[in-house]
Amino acid sequence: GEDVEQSLFLSVREGDSSVINCTYTDSSSTYLYWYKQEPGAGLQLLTYIFSNMDMKQDQRLTVLLNKKDKHLSLRIADTQTGDSAIYFCAESIGGATNKLIFGTGTLLAVQP
Amino acid sequence: DGGITQSPKYLFRKEGQNVTLSCEQNLNHDAMYWYRQDPGQGLRLIYYSQIVNDFQKGDIAEGYSVSREKKESFPLTVTSAQKNPTAFYLCASSSTSGGFIGELFFGEGSRLTVL
Repeated sequence: GEDVEQSLFLSVREGDSSVINCTYTDSSSTYLYWYKQEPGAGLQLLTYIFSNMDMKQDQRLTVLLNKKDKHLSLRIADTQTGDSAIYFCAESIGGATNKLIFGTGTLLAVQP
Repeated sequence: DGGITQSPKYLFRKEGQNVTLSCEQNLNHDAMYWYRQDPGQGLRLIYYSQIVNDFQKGDIAEGYSVSREKKESFPLTVTSAQKNPTAFYLCASSSTSGGFIGELFFGEGSRLTVL
C-alpha cells in the first residue's frame, strides 16, 4: 500500500543546518512536496519538486530526490527559531497531482 | 481575503452524538478534502471531492459522512459509528486546472474531543 515515512523528531541549534528525511512508495508520483505546520494551524506548502528532477534550491531550502531509493530530503540552511514546526513530506498518488498522501510529520525543534 | 474557514475551532461531544464540522472556501477551487491528524500518525485522508455533487472515500472513511451541494462548502459529519473520533480535523482545497496543480490550501483545523 501507499506509505510515506519520516522520523518523528529532530532537534538542532539555531544557525545549524537541518536535514529532514522521507521515504515514499509510489514511483509514479508526479510531484513530491514539503509542507510546514506551525502550532495549532493548518499546513502550508513550503516547496515541491517535480519527479524528473534531482535537486531544487529555493533560498535557504534545498530539496534532494533519489528516485532509485524513493528518498526525499529537505535541508534548511541557517535554521532559525521561526523554523520550529512540523514538516510533512507528501507524494501525489498514481500520477494524480491533487490527491496527496502525507507522511507522519517530523517535529523540528530549534534550540537558541 | 481568499481562504478556507473551518468552524468550530474547538468542539466537545458526548459519546453517541453526531457532530458536523463546517468547511467553507472562497478560492473558487473545485477540489476539497478532509484529513484527520493524530499525533505520530500524520494526516490521513477521510473523504475528498473533485466536483460538486460528487465525492470519494479516502483511507479512513468509516464512521464519517460528507456532502458537496455547493462548490464552496464541504461539511464533514462525524457519526456515532466512529470509534475513536477525538482528533484534529483539517479541511483543504485545491485547484484542478491551470498552472501548478497540487498545492493544497488548508484551513486552521477543528479540534474535536469526545467526552
